[in-house]
Formats: sequence, C-alpha cells, structure tokens
Amino acid sequence: NAGVTQTPKFRVLKTGQSMTLLCAQDMNHEYMYWYRQDPGMGLRLIHYSVGEGTTAKGEVPDGYNVSRLKKQNFLLGLESAAPSQTSVYFCASSYSREAFFGQGTRLTVV
Amino acid sequence: DAKTTQPPSMDCAEGRAANLPCNHSTISGNEYVYWYRQIHSQGPQYIIHGLKNNETNEMASLIITEDRKSSTLILPHATLRDTAVYYCIVRVANNNAGNMLTFGGGTRLMVKP
Repeated sequence: NAGVTQTPKFRVLKTGQSMTLLCAQDMNHEYMYWYRQDPGMGLRLIHYSVGEGTTAKGEVPDGYNVSRLKKQNFLLGLESAAPSQTSVYFCASSYSREAFFGQGTRLTVV
Repeated sequence: DAKTTQPPSMDCAEGRAANLPCNHSTISGNEYVYWYRQIHSQGPQYIIHGLKNNETNEMASLIITEDRKSSTLILPHATLRDTAVYYCIVRVANNNAGNMLTFGGGTRLMVKP
C-alpha cells in the first residue's frame, strides 16, 4: 500500500515549456486534489476531482489543466510554464474525512 | 468553510506538552475541526479531528470549547520530531462537493532541547 505517489519529485523547466505531473493513489479514493505551496505560505487548491471523469477549479486554477481518466490517477498539466509557477506541488486524495498527501513535486521554472 | 486564526509561531521544550490554540468563532454547527501538520516541506499529515467532544488518539488530544469557537491541539510530550507547521482547518465532514481543505498560515512549532 503506497498511498499517494507523485511523479516526478523534482523538475526544472524553461519558460514556455510544458509538462505533466502525475499523481497516483491506491486507496480507491473518490476525491483527489492538486495544491501548490509557495515559500512560507500555506497550501492553495489548484484543481480537484470528485470522481473519475470529473474535474473542477479550485482557488488558483489559471495556467493549469487537469484530467482524471482513471480513478486512481490525477494529472496536472502546465501548457506553457511561467516563472510564477515555480512552487512545490502536492497531490492528495480522500474519502470522506482524512486526506492523504503525496510527498510533493518541486518545480522550478527558469 | 469557517476561517481560523492561529498564532504564527510557538516554542516548546522537549518533553513538555505543546498546546496549540485555534480560534474559529464563525464555525457552523455541522463543521468539524481538523488538524494537520507539515514537517519540513513534506506533504501534510492528518493528526486528529472532532465536532464538539474532546478527542484523543495516539498522536494528540483535541480540546474543543463548549461554544465551539476555539480549540486546542495538545501534544502531550513533544519531541524534536514534532517540530512542524500545524494547520487548524474547519470543514463540513462530507459535503459531497469535494471535501477540500482550505489551509491558512498555520502555527510553526519549534520544539527545543
């Protein structure tokens, strides 16, 4: 039982490049989330999903897209990376109460 | 979801109890109080949650005032590994709309030898 796994753990992008962050959970959770955390701040919700095939915008969705084609996976895409998207990205999943978080992806856009 | 107010930082001596306060004066009757912590930029970790009764588990105790407008997370014997940012979050237990967590700034707890 691996919990929530994020891939990759680190990445450096050039401005304008695209990439996809993968989140996988093996707990059969319906809900999945993508957060970002900037230095010294709390986590902010980017997008979330309440089930396979569904997605919704969170607090800071601009510049990101997501997909939930399979229940266990939640993908976060950056179509044209900007320096403002330099951050640590956390994925989480939950059923009704407790949320489980991955270990984060540290993304730097230069 | 109700907003919460926490002190930005606290210190605690190793082996002593750490008492972390949280104000949530606008909490609704169906909102729970959740506590998570984040150790050195790792993913947040669930600690405990409660509605109105005091709760205890292997990690901590949660004391909620009778009017539910504030609560205290208690780490009974703090260790250096408890140094972390602690987040108090209030939320409906299952709102069928995503159950997302809204993080504030939290309290940075420093446990000192």
